[in-house]
Amino acid sequence: DAKTTQPPSMDCAEGRAANLPCNHSTISGNEYVYWYRQIHSQGPQYIIHGLKNNETNEMASLIITEDRKSSTLILPHATLRDTAVYYCIVRVAHNQGGKLIFGQGTELSVKP
Amino acid sequence: GAVVSQHPSRVICKSGTSVKIECRSLDFQATTMFWYRQFPKKSLMLMATSNEGSKATYEQGVEKDKFLINHASLTLSTLTVTSAHPEDSSFYICSAFPSGGSDTQYFGPGTRLTVL
Repeated sequence: DAKTTQPPSMDCAEGRAANLPCNHSTISGNEYVYWYRQIHSQGPQYIIHGLKNNETNEMASLIITEDRKSSTLILPHATLRDTAVYYCIVRVAHNQGGKLIFGQGTELSVKP
Repeated sequence: GAVVSQHPSRVICKSGTSVKIECRSLDFQATTMFWYRQFPKKSLMLMATSNEGSKATYEQGVEKDKFLINHASLTLSTLTVTSAHPEDSSFYICSAFPSGGSDTQYFGPGTRLTVL
């Protein structure tokens, strides 16, 4: 699976949008972009995923560049409970043997 | 929906004993489950893929005789750490794919193992 590059840490003010970048310049055409987050001492939580179109759900928005070499996860109104490590992962579909391989992620600190 | 549970949430055992950790999919069936371990301030490391009714597939460097995996039903996978040693102390996390086409993997809350 392709590797991803994320900044190790970011800060965000409570109530503001948090924009978390991810580079995946070697992504293949059949690889999806997945975002998970892990709050301290808990299991990872699924946030959102996409292939090439932008996606939005109740938690976040995912913006994928046209060349698919990078993406941005947007938390529109960050709260203190959004403080976590955010992981951007690319993989092929499960039925094609895809596995979630975690990198180091971005530690997001939401501050009052 | 898509809830995965683990039991126990934390366990402390003596060196040399074996510890079993259960992973259950509560509201869906899962033919495939995964086991990860995580050391403090580190990322998750995939250990093995657990397949219902067949042998688990282990990642490179993971000792299959040390970490026994059984996936006897569509809702339960177990990880047994055999002859545990202090270096096996870690956070063990399982995840599962709902059967029937979903491509999203859901994670359990994790099990904290401490070997004295």
